[in-house]
Amino acid sequence: GAGVSQSPSNKVTEKGKDVELRCDPISGHTALYWYRQSLGQGLEFLIYFQGNSAPDKSGLPSDRFSAERTGGSVSTLTIQRTQQEDSAVYLCASTPRRGNQPQHFGDGTRLSIL
Amino acid sequence: GESVGLHLPTLSVQEGDNSIINCAYSNSASDYFIWYKQESGKGPQFIIDIRSNMDKRQGQRVTVLLNKTVKHLSLQIAATQPGDSAVYFCAENEGPGGYNKLIFGAGTRLAVHP
Repeated sequence: GAGVSQSPSNKVTEKGKDVELRCDPISGHTALYWYRQSLGQGLEFLIYFQGNSAPDKSGLPSDRFSAERTGGSVSTLTIQRTQQEDSAVYLCASTPRRGNQPQHFGDGTRLSIL
Repeated sequence: GESVGLHLPTLSVQEGDNSIINCAYSNSASDYFIWYKQESGKGPQFIIDIRSNMDKRQGQRVTVLLNKTVKHLSLQIAATQPGDSAVYFCAENEGPGGYNKLIFGAGTRLAVHP
């Protein structure tokens, strides 16, 4: 597709379950970013990938959060043992290369923890 | 920017008027700034960016002004239209040599009335 694609668009799960969120960046984009947006808030950085490696994981809020990227393309963000405070919209963005340039965002996954 | 929780500051304008959305940033080392527009249920959409070696940049109907002395950024929208109604976010990078991790403000809601 032409843009960043994220799936699922909505996810409702029970507290304590694991969830996996997927991001398909724009083809050829080497840099990939995950952000979290709580209701009525700005975006909070989670993790950055350059290719398959993640030089900055500093934004991951706890060790229940992990992410990987394989083949320099698709990335998955996994949240284990979900808590109610994990409820948010998880957004993914990509850029063609490292460096200052506009990040292109997907429409996010809205995660609701019951 | 400071978090304002669920109550985003709102700018209400009449259709056809000019809008000015302001943003204060905190990191004097930031050298890249960007404005995004976010409509309900969508990911942020790039509007315009500016580097710290400039103080003004113009796009189509939009102008960004950067005042590094007081760490202030503004977005001007000319002849505001109903389709401009959205939440607007400013963002800054961490500084030179980084990989474009963006720090987002809390956002301003623009409401355009006919």
